[in-house]
Amino acid sequence: GAVVSQHPSWVICKSGTSVKIECRSLDFQATTMFWYRQFPKQSLMLMATSNEGSKATYEQGVEKDKFLINHASLTLSTLTVTSAHPEDSSFYICSARTSDPSYEQYFGPGTRLTVT
Amino acid sequence: GQNIDQPTEMTATEGAIVQINCTYQTSGFNGLFWYQQHAGEAPTFLSYNVLDGLEEKGRFSSFLSRSKGYSYLLLKELQMKDSASYLCAVRDDRGSTLGRLYFGRGTQLTVWP
Repeated sequence: GAVVSQHPSWVICKSGTSVKIECRSLDFQATTMFWYRQFPKQSLMLMATSNEGSKATYEQGVEKDKFLINHASLTLSTLTVTSAHPEDSSFYICSARTSDPSYEQYFGPGTRLTVT
Repeated sequence: GQNIDQPTEMTATEGAIVQINCTYQTSGFNGLFWYQQHAGEAPTFLSYNVLDGLEEKGRFSSFLSRSKGYSYLLLKELQMKDSASYLCAVRDDRGSTLGRLYFGRGTQLTVWP
C-alpha cells in the first residue's frame, strides 16, 4: 500500500513555544490530507482537512490560529502547534488520500507531542 | 454526530474466535472501515465494507448490514499479537469533505495465552 511518513515521531517542547509536524506521502500524490488528534484511550478526532493549494477546513472547536496547517504541495502538509500548552500534549496523526474514487486514507505513524 | 458505538474492552484466549460489534447512525453513509491500532502507533487498515454481507480476508472477516446500521469484525485463531485496539470508522460523504471518516472509540482486545 501507499506510504505516509511523519516527522518527528516524538517531540518534547516547553510551554509557549511552537512545534511543526510534517506529513509526507512518499509514493503517491495526496490531494487531501487529514490531521487527527488522539488522547490516551480515546479515538481519533479529526482536527482539520487540507487540500493542496487551498486553506484548511477546521472542525468545530479547533482553533485555526493555534493549529496552523499548510498543504503547499501534493506530497507535504505541515501542522504547526503555536504557543503550545501542556493540554496540547497528545498523539497527532495525519492521513493522506489520493483523488482515487475509493477515497482510502493512508495513515502516517503519528507524532507524540509532550509540552512541559 | 455519527453515534458510532463499539465495546470498550474485550478479552479472549489464544486460538479462540472473537467478534467485535459496531453500530452507527449516519445519513451520508458510504462505507465502513475497520482498523487495528497498537499502542503508540498509527491505525492500520484491516477491512472495508460498503455493501451488505461478509468480507473474508484470512483470519479476519468483516460483516455489514446497512439497514441495521451494524457491522462486526470477526477474528479467528487468535494470536497474542492480535492484542490491540480495533477501530470502527464510518465514511460519510455528506458535506463538503468527501470520504471523511468518523471513528468509534475503539475496542481494546486483550488476548491471553
